[in-house]
Amino acid sequence: ETGVTQTPRHLVMGMTNKKSLKCEQHLGHNAMYWYKQSAKKPLELMFVYSLEERVENNSVPSRFSPECPNSSHLFLHLHTLQPEDSALYLCASSQAIYNSPLHFGNGTRLTVT
Amino acid sequence: AQTVTQSQPEMSVQEAETVTLSCTYDTSESNYYLFWYKQPPSRQMILVIRQEAYKQQNATENRFSVNFQKAAKSFSLKISDSQLGDTAMYFCAFFVGETSGSRLTFGEGTQLTVNP
Repeated sequence: ETGVTQTPRHLVMGMTNKKSLKCEQHLGHNAMYWYKQSAKKPLELMFVYSLEERVENNSVPSRFSPECPNSSHLFLHLHTLQPEDSALYLCASSQAIYNSPLHFGNGTRLTVT
Repeated sequence: AQTVTQSQPEMSVQEAETVTLSCTYDTSESNYYLFWYKQPPSRQMILVIRQEAYKQQNATENRFSVNFQKAAKSFSLKISDSQLGDTAMYFCAFFVGETSGSRLTFGEGTQLTVNP
């Protein structure tokens, strides 16, 4: 039990599909994050939520749409993706958004065909 | 802007030996935090060790220790008595800020392989 659970583990979708990634944390944390991990590149922070409010949106294309209905759940809605969006998407949580260590999930391996 | 550089894309070590992974960073801030995360094949990122910049004493967690050189902006990770389970991608990360602009910046990672 990692404390941060991501589903699905793998996802293959066409460019016209709509899908959602789900993240759930059981740690009582107040902050949640989406990161994109591509080969040979540093992790890229996509979105940050603190107490269910979005506090960062790092110039992510609108085809990625986050949703945080409560402090335990985070979604990433996907639509009309491009092949270059294929990557490992990692969810993380922390007690606070300032200096608290991140706890990561196992990620969703996304392939866009 | 903060940057983190890991100059060793891949490293290998024999089981039971010691290995050091290097990390340098660039910042104009004086108070910040440094982390090493490990990502095994299971893909989960796991915090290995953490260092506060205001602390002069190097952090230690069992077989893992850091050599923090603040003036040189260097933060290397030493793994003693390497075990097969240490095989993973290791990421150095840097955190600064007490405002909503705070963020954790990762390096590109070092793939460590422990050989039997």
